[in-house]
Amino acid sequence: ELKVEQNPLFLSMQEGKNYTIYCNYSTTSDRLYWYRQDPGKSLESLFVLLSNGAVKQEGRLMASLDTKARLSTLHITAAVHDLSATYFCAVLPLNNDMRFGAGTRLTVKP
Amino acid sequence: GAGVSQSPSNKVTEKGKDVELRCDPISGHTALYWYRQRLGQGLEFLIYFQGNSAPDKSGLPSDRFSAERTGESVSTLTIQRTQQEDSAVYLCASSTRSGNLQYFGAGTRLSVL
Repeated sequence: ELKVEQNPLFLSMQEGKNYTIYCNYSTTSDRLYWYRQDPGKSLESLFVLLSNGAVKQEGRLMASLDTKARLSTLHITAAVHDLSATYFCAVLPLNNDMRFGAGTRLTVKP
Repeated sequence: GAGVSQSPSNKVTEKGKDVELRCDPISGHTALYWYRQRLGQGLEFLIYFQGNSAPDKSGLPSDRFSAERTGESVSTLTIQRTQQEDSAVYLCASSTRSGNLQYFGAGTRLSVL
């Protein structure tokens, strides 16, 4: 069974600092997604990574995928308060049974 | 509409009643997903529709759960004989096809008393 593990689950950062969230998964897949969820809100799609070595960047967030290591990272550069949210990675295997990580709750403090 | 629309936004029901949740995907999106999110937890895959193909029902938690979709339009998720553990937010997402970026609706918050 596909397992998706994120770490850390909780992350408290100061504004201006850099940090990386990790997403490991247990089966072969080259379709990896990152989402953001604000409290009480639905999910917002951030990135879709569809091949080994894929790198996507949007503002202060950059996502990458290493399918051989079964690892994706979400790197945060010079964090700002507006980035506070829960971030989920998700893996879409061949049977389309999308599996989500438990989420990383990010708090950016001034 | 421009986005994925779900209704109702909130539903309070009594244990044992049936409920029907609706999802209206983005026009032209052939793939449609239903997920369940319990409070403070990640998303749990329920069911996936792709075009007119038979849906993948492997994620449905019990036979009380069923879902339908007519062609590439509206989908309904039905929960029969609701139980308290069914309380959650039910999210629907659509994409142009499987593997592409998914766009989520605002969800239906179901509370079973």
